[in-house]
Amino acid sequence: KAGVTQTPRYLIKTRGQQVTLSCSPISGHRSVSWYQQTPGQGLQFLFEYFSETQRNKGNFPGRFSGRQFSNSRSEMNVSTLELGDSALYLCASSLPGYIGTSGYNEQFFGPGTRLTVL
Amino acid sequence: AQSVAQPEDQVNVAEGNPLTVKCTYSVSGNPYLFWYVQYPNRGLQFLLKYITGDNLVKGSYGFEAEFNKSQTSFHLKKPSALVSDSALYFCAVRDGASGSARQLTFGSGTQLTVLP
Repeated sequence: KAGVTQTPRYLIKTRGQQVTLSCSPISGHRSVSWYQQTPGQGLQFLFEYFSETQRNKGNFPGRFSGRQFSNSRSEMNVSTLELGDSALYLCASSLPGYIGTSGYNEQFFGPGTRLTVL
Repeated sequence: AQSVAQPEDQVNVAEGNPLTVKCTYSVSGNPYLFWYVQYPNRGLQFLLKYITGDNLVKGSYGFEAEFNKSQTSFHLKKPSALVSDSALYFCAVRDGASGSARQLTFGSGTQLTVLP
């Protein structure tokens, strides 16, 4: 079974631009979560989607948004990029555990998209 | 609010020796606990989880973890370390209490180095 795929793997943008990252979950997984990983802040939860609905959202500004499609694929968008948005963005998929969220099921992570903002 | 702490940024151990990576947590309800490992330029790989049942959980690559409710700990262990175990290890928790935030909260990570 294919793992979680993320595209692109690397991105370089300049301040003020916007970016869209894509994630394809493992077949059959309907829950998708996004995380930001930086050396200073570690792994921080961005949001979680199930059945095209956002179930949870972390403490990030409104510039960060996401969506999920009917085939469970997900995208996240960052508008008006800032230097501090440079990070590894990780997507994870899982089987829903309860009420459509990951619950007690482990998440399977993609390799990430490395975003550099200049 | 749920939280997880990994008190050691770095753990060094000689190959063949037992290893322990420490993790403590705080939740209001029952904890769902996970360990993940990250190799350079890679995503996280799932190692093991505790949901309920036996306090000793066995996972991938010979790793195991011991859940201790009274000490709110979930330490990762391996009886005999390999050089290939060198990586960044993350503990994570989700609060099982109803009405709680459902996201997975990660610790800050522990860099494990196994010396040949």
